[in-house]
Amino acid sequence: QQPVQSPQAVILREGEDAVINCSSSKALYSVHWYRQKHGEAPVFLMILLKGGEQKGHEKISASFNEKKQQSSLYLTASQLSYSGTYFCGTDPSNTGKLIFGQGTTLQVKP
Amino acid sequence: NAGVMQNPRHLVRRRGQEARLRCSPMKGHSHVYWYRQLPEEGLKFMVYLQKENIIDESGMPKERFSAEFPKEGPSILRIQQVVRGDSAAYFCASSQGQGNTEAFFGQGTRLTVV
Repeated sequence: QQPVQSPQAVILREGEDAVINCSSSKALYSVHWYRQKHGEAPVFLMILLKGGEQKGHEKISASFNEKKQQSSLYLTASQLSYSGTYFCGTDPSNTGKLIFGQGTTLQVKP
Repeated sequence: NAGVMQNPRHLVRRRGQEARLRCSPMKGHSHVYWYRQLPEEGLKFMVYLQKENIIDESGMPKERFSAEFPKEGPSILRIQQVVRGDSAAYFCASSQGQGNTEAFFGQGTRLTVV
């Protein structure tokens, strides 16, 4: 039931791009993306809804393939501040109860 | 516009004591979700509440754990007779509606059982 994220970890240089994937075995109403830095709270990045609507930060882009129950988060021209662990949360019941993936650790180096 | 407020930020309890964790949702939010995060692991859903109602407690351990969200005041997550395995970060999140709205997290309460 827990979505699977890939890759588990990625190291980038500033300015490089990355894609983080999230795959679920269940039909989904929405996918939510968060970034968490060590010892801090998860920070909301984006929500992707069934039907194509998206809400989130202007500089973050993502996709949601409803048929395949997959979502991807696109990080372009990465900055040092992008470092952290990225979690996708899936909502199969449309209640807002999120089932989170195991996380993808991103490290951006100068 | 204050965000989700949790207190205390850090809590130390001896085995067998009770722990009470508080969460005040963002203004205008009536949906509260509690998650637990063990060190170096992901977030695990515990319970979903609306004012005076528990909507989904499928992630709550059957014993020692309870949650409430009264008409007035913060949501409370209560852990009775704590054990070392309860040591974790407990986060609450709030939202305006159900699954089609974004949820925002509080800073968490880091519980240490000694």
